[in-house]
Amino acid sequence: EIVLTQSPSTLSLSPGERATLSCRASQSVSVFLGWYQQKPGQAPRLLIYDAIHRATGVPGRFSGSGSGTDFTLTISSPEREDSAVYYCQQRSNWPPTFGPGTKVHIK
Amino acid sequence: EVQLVESGGTSVQPGTSLRLTCVASGFNYDNFGMHWVRQAPGKGLEWVSGISWNSAKTGYGDSVKGRFTISRDNDKNLLYLQMDSLRIEDTALYFCARDLTYGADGLSDSWGQGTQVTVSS
Repeated sequence: EIVLTQSPSTLSLSPGERATLSCRASQSVSVFLGWYQQKPGQAPRLLIYDAIHRATGVPGRFSGSGSGTDFTLTISSPEREDSAVYYCQQRSNWPPTFGPGTKVHIK
Repeated sequence: EVQLVESGGTSVQPGTSLRLTCVASGFNYDNFGMHWVRQAPGKGLEWVSGISWNSAKTGYGDSVKGRFTISRDNDKNLLYLQMDSLRIEDTALYFCARDLTYGADGLSDSWGQGTQVTVSS
């Protein structure tokens, strides 16, 4: 099973201050990694798939990068509504594991 | 509009069985793989099970393997999760989710709101 680790575990930022979230895989997942946003009481929302592709309707301030074992989700100019937990997930190998999440608070 | 609506969650005792159902609408259901993902109270996301568009490929997380069975009915746009020998640690909100593709590789672009399963003595 591929293990995903995310850092930092929590991130507190001011609006407009660039956010950089990291996801590292225990072995290469090529580009087969996605990012989700989950707000309290809501289902997860896919933001990025296959490392770099924005899902339908996702604002342009969200971008993904990386390949192999190291991936990054960047929120270029966060807004207060971006306060949420962000999870990465790999689809390279079954089971399609999730990372533990990064909690982002926009002050 | 894609809609996924889960049902069947309830409170049960350890060792009992439960079947979850997900009704899909707003898309060509038999073109997509499907998943069950759960979230224990205050915890992260855990992939439970997945099934390809034609049921040829199914898979389970280690924590449920041998106890849970996923299936689908493409004529009725339904997804099921049969949960047997339930344990206290199966307590969670169970989400139904649509895969990006016809396979069941894992990334999901549409999710239901979840159905709560509580296992307690």
